[in-house]
Amino acid sequence: AQSVTQLDSHVSVSEGTPVLLRCNYSSSYSPSLFWYVQHPNKGLQLLLKYTSAATLVKGINGFEAEFKKSETSFHLTKPSAHMSDAAEYFCVVTADTGRRALTFGSGTRLQVQP
Amino acid sequence: DTAVSQTPKYLVTQMGNDKSIKCEQNLGHDTMYWYKQDSKKFLKIMFSYNNKELIINETVPNRFSPKSPDKAHLNLHINSLELGDSAVYFCASSSSVYEQYFGPGTRLTVT
Repeated sequence: AQSVTQLDSHVSVSEGTPVLLRCNYSSSYSPSLFWYVQHPNKGLQLLLKYTSAATLVKGINGFEAEFKKSETSFHLTKPSAHMSDAAEYFCVVTADTGRRALTFGSGTRLQVQP
Repeated sequence: DTAVSQTPKYLVTQMGNDKSIKCEQNLGHDTMYWYKQDSKKFLKIMFSYNNKELIINETVPNRFSPKSPDKAHLNLHINSLELGDSAVYFCASSSSVYEQYFGPGTRLTVT
């Protein structure tokens, strides 16, 4: 069984300040972890992925995430928020059990204030 | 070149009707999926096909039936639509467990 918990349903930051979106996971197998972003009325876009290689993963648009097995966390960060970062962010877990199903967190809405 | 496409983008229909949503991918992937996103933005897997074979069938009413005529297509047919079926339905495809590519979504509204 696998699950993810996104600890904040809503995060508000000022433009130019750091972003931290928190995610904890649970998995019976070695997990693969992802962050997806969904802009309003749009589909989902992959931001970054962890697949048991380097624990610090860099993604698109300046985002990165660090896999911490001891804390079962995969938090998403960005040094400086941009207005265009305002969107819904999903932490996602999967395990290579053959089912290939993604398990989504409940999402964090990021608001960026001017 | 759209990687994963869905039609229609919007679908408004009345209760009791039967409707279909089509999905096509041009990425050469062997696995396709249907996800449902509810009004609270929660996304959940519904079905998955690998090389035209059903490999995931989550707890979904029998009114929902996926059909995969070939590896590049996975359609979703819904019978006797209900108000609770209103949601955004996303199609996705992958060649491995590590990355899935999503379509733009189909917003279904049942009145």
